[in-house]
Amino acid sequence: QVHLQESGPGLVKPSETLSLTCTVSNGSMTNFYWSWIRQPAGKGLEWIGRYYASGSANYNPSLRSRITLSMDTSNNQFSLRLSSVTAADTGIYYCARELGYSGRVDYWGQGTLVTVSS
Amino acid sequence: QSVLTQPPSVSAAPGQKVTISCSGSSSNIGNHYVNWYQQLPGTAPKLLISDSNNRPSGIPDRFSGSKSGTSATLGIAGLQTGDEADYYCATWDGSLSAVVFGGGTKLTVL
Repeated sequence: QVHLQESGPGLVKPSETLSLTCTVSNGSMTNFYWSWIRQPAGKGLEWIGRYYASGSANYNPSLRSRITLSMDTSNNQFSLRLSSVTAADTGIYYCARELGYSGRVDYWGQGTLVTVSS
Repeated sequence: QSVLTQPPSVSAAPGQKVTISCSGSSSNIGNHYVNWYQQLPGTAPKLLISDSNNRPSGIPDRFSGSKSGTSATLGIAGLQTGDEADYYCATWDGSLSAVVFGGGTKLTVL
């Protein structure tokens, strides 16, 4: 059973950069997409972007200019950096394993709450 | 405003059947599989229906999915109180080169 665990600061100041890491256990990172999905409190799911081991990536067009995705397969980790954050970026951030081109996510992390506040 | 449109809420009595719709366009549902997720309160979403009409291992056959044209439907039969949750559809959008989610539907089992 693949397990994903998010880690990173729970509080980020406005205009600064949000940085999260996801550690993958009990599974290989090759041949899958590794994604970030977020959910503001009381609202729906928003796909942020995904990274493939080959180095290719896809991004939510509305966030693209602020997103940096990366992967460290030697440590079974992938990361998200979201720059110039505002209160609108507050929410639960999930890392996930995604398959193909259908929005199919078969494994999710438990999620981590990130609050943007001074 | 979500790319995929779902009703905000649906409700039905225990034992009844309910359907949740997900409407999109030719750039997403019309040309790609649809996946459905169940999110119980305080938990991460769980894959419920994959590739429009397949149930992952462990998902009861009370849950079903279908797709026609630019719309998809999730069906839940024999409703139980434990089915109360938020349900989301998702697919790939070829024009955006991104995954898109519906706004979510809150199911209440009366």
